[in-house]
Amino acid sequence: AQSVTQPDIHITVSEGASLELRCNYSYGATPYLFWYVQSPGQGLQLLLKYFSGDTLVQGIKGFEAEFKRSQSSFNLRKPSVHWSDAAEYFCAVGAGRSNYQLIWGAGTKLIIKP
Amino acid sequence: EAGVAQSPRYKIIEKRQSVAFWCNPISGHATLYWYQQILGQGPKLLIQFQNNGVVDDSQLPKDRFSAERLKGVDSTLKIQPAKLEDSAVYLCASSRRLDSYEQYFGPGTRLTVT
Repeated sequence: AQSVTQPDIHITVSEGASLELRCNYSYGATPYLFWYVQSPGQGLQLLLKYFSGDTLVQGIKGFEAEFKRSQSSFNLRKPSVHWSDAAEYFCAVGAGRSNYQLIWGAGTKLIIKP
Repeated sequence: EAGVAQSPRYKIIEKRQSVAFWCNPISGHATLYWYQQILGQGPKLLIQFQNNGVVDDSQLPKDRFSAERLKGVDSTLKIQPAKLEDSAVYLCASSRRLDSYEQYFGPGTRLTVT
């Protein structure tokens, strides 16, 4: 069955440090890949997406993600986090379902240490 | 371009009462989704519309939940009667067309059932 795994429930990072959030998926072909961010009390905002082509994609707010087919991964990175990045991050995969629905990870909560 | 609008933002009701949520998608978006997000979890799809038709409502608890999108634009999700376990954030999202995985979310309605 298709699935999305975000292995880290929480991650704590110091302000100014680099960040990597992990996402692994289970699907036979190349899926459509997304990262969304949810700030407290807000809806989900699309950070970036991968459909095809260059496996390193740039998103908003200085985030990037790299698709690695051999590892079935789509990890999110940021070179230097800001306190305003504290939020929950969700990886989602569009994996050829007949109704074009997204499969969601459980999310990773990012905590920023001052 | 205006985003997805939802109202109300917050609602507190007692169990066995009824409640309704409203969503207006991005103009021109044909596909509309309602999700339930319980604290600490990823979104769970309740129902998916394409224009004014239901594409998938397999995870909608039909004994108490109902949804409609009569004119293919805005949509209403209703719960009657509410249970304690319905306490969650209800998210509405839209996409340009059915085969577009890219979804845009509203701010959500936080429901508390006491």
